[in-house]
Amino acid sequence: EAGVAQSPRYKIIEKRQSVAFWCNPISGHATLYWYQQILGQGPKLLIQFQNNGVVDDSQLPKDRFSAERLKGVDSTLKIQPAKLEDSAVYLCASSLHIGEAFFGQGTRLTVV
Amino acid sequence: AQSVSQHNHHVILSEAASLELGCNYSYGGTVNLFWYVQYPGQHLQLLLKYFSGDPLVKGIKGFEAEFIKSKFSFNLRKPSVQWSDTAEYFCAVREGKLIFGQGTELSVKP
Repeated sequence: EAGVAQSPRYKIIEKRQSVAFWCNPISGHATLYWYQQILGQGPKLLIQFQNNGVVDDSQLPKDRFSAERLKGVDSTLKIQPAKLEDSAVYLCASSLHIGEAFFGQGTRLTVV
Repeated sequence: AQSVSQHNHHVILSEAASLELGCNYSYGGTVNLFWYVQYPGQHLQLLLKYFSGDPLVKGIKGFEAEFIKSKFSFNLRKPSVQWSDTAEYFCAVREGKLIFGQGTELSVKP
């Protein structure tokens, strides 16, 4: 089966610019996750969707980050405006309601 | 708040040595438990999982983990490591949301 697809793989932007990441989960997976992984740390959950509803977004910096999952399939994560500390790998994962999460390759964001 | 703690930040072993990586979580209810591995340059992959039943679970590549409910622990073990096990290992817990630990970097010397 096809895995979780993410794009772009790499992105370099200047601080205060905006950026968007896209994720297409495994077909049929109702749950979609966005994580931020800073070098040397574990993945930090930003937002978790169940179909197109939000399960948890308590760690999402809502003043600058937004995410949507229209039609309960693919999803976008946006940062506007970006800060230097947003430099990280952004991971998307998906799972069945009960099951392990499958991860994409991630998008490496560098903010300069 | 739900949290996951991995005791070792970096572990260095020689080939054939035994491995045990610690993982403790804070939530006391019914949880699903996972160990993921991230090889250099690759995405996170599932090593093993525990949902219910036998608390000793076996995963891929000779890894196993034991769920001890009374200790809120889910430690990862392997009797004899190989150089190819060099990677970063993450413990994760799901009770509603899926939370990861800080990770343990394992370096295996040939």
